Amino acid sequence: EVQLVESGGGLVQPGGPLRLSCAASGFTFSDYHMDWVRQAPGKGLEWVGRSKSKARSYTTEYAASVKGRVTISRDGSRNSLYLQMNSLKTEDTAVYYCARVMSDGHFDAFDIWGQGTMVTVSS
Amino acid sequence: AIQMTQSPSSLSASVGDRVTITCRASQGIRNDLGWYQQKPGKAPKLLIYTASTLQSGVPSRFSGSGSGTDFTLTISSLQPEDFATYYCLQDYNYPLTFGGGTKVEIK
Repeated sequence: EVQLVESGGGLVQPGGPLRLSCAASGFTFSDYHMDWVRQAPGKGLEWVGRSKSKARSYTTEYAASVKGRVTISRDGSRNSLYLQMNSLKTEDTAVYYCARVMSDGHFDAFDIWGQGTMVTVSS
Repeated sequence: AIQMTQSPSSLSASVGDRVTITCRASQGIRNDLGWYQQKPGKAPKLLIYTASTLQSGVPSRFSGSGSGTDFTLTISSLQPEDFATYYCLQDYNYPLTFGGGTKVEIK
């Protein structure tokens, strides 16, 4: 079964770091771009960033709102995607989802999503 | 960044109604647009990609159209399980951007 399971969320103080993980199973992890998407309480969806596939050298892209404060990485041996967040702000409070990107080079779509992990930034 | 403007932000409809949601891009995005459904407390679900291609397993009452800057998601006959929030997403360029969402509620 194709599955994504996030972990690592919790309560963190403003300015602190946090690392989220996303464990992938049921597909060849290296073949896919993998993204992080977040949703603040009661708000809409916001794209956070991407780790491209092995074919694209695992390069990354980030939203302006997080660029310089977050790093997306992956560990192929563990089939895991990570979101390292530093200098956290209260506005980073959100449910964080990882998502698999279905792509043929001409389009991208998030076909598989994890269940999400909640990050609360508060003193 | 490309701005995606969805309308309406909410609507009330009855079972069996035809529902249309629109999404407008601030610049042309070809057909690089997807539609997602989200129910409370759940992850979003892909409905449509490349503006009009139905994702596998999605009921045929859902359809999408449009190209360039204007896009539409149509539910031909609203079912009880369709009450949810719907989002468009442009994947034309980075940063990817979502519309603000349309909440479909029971009339």
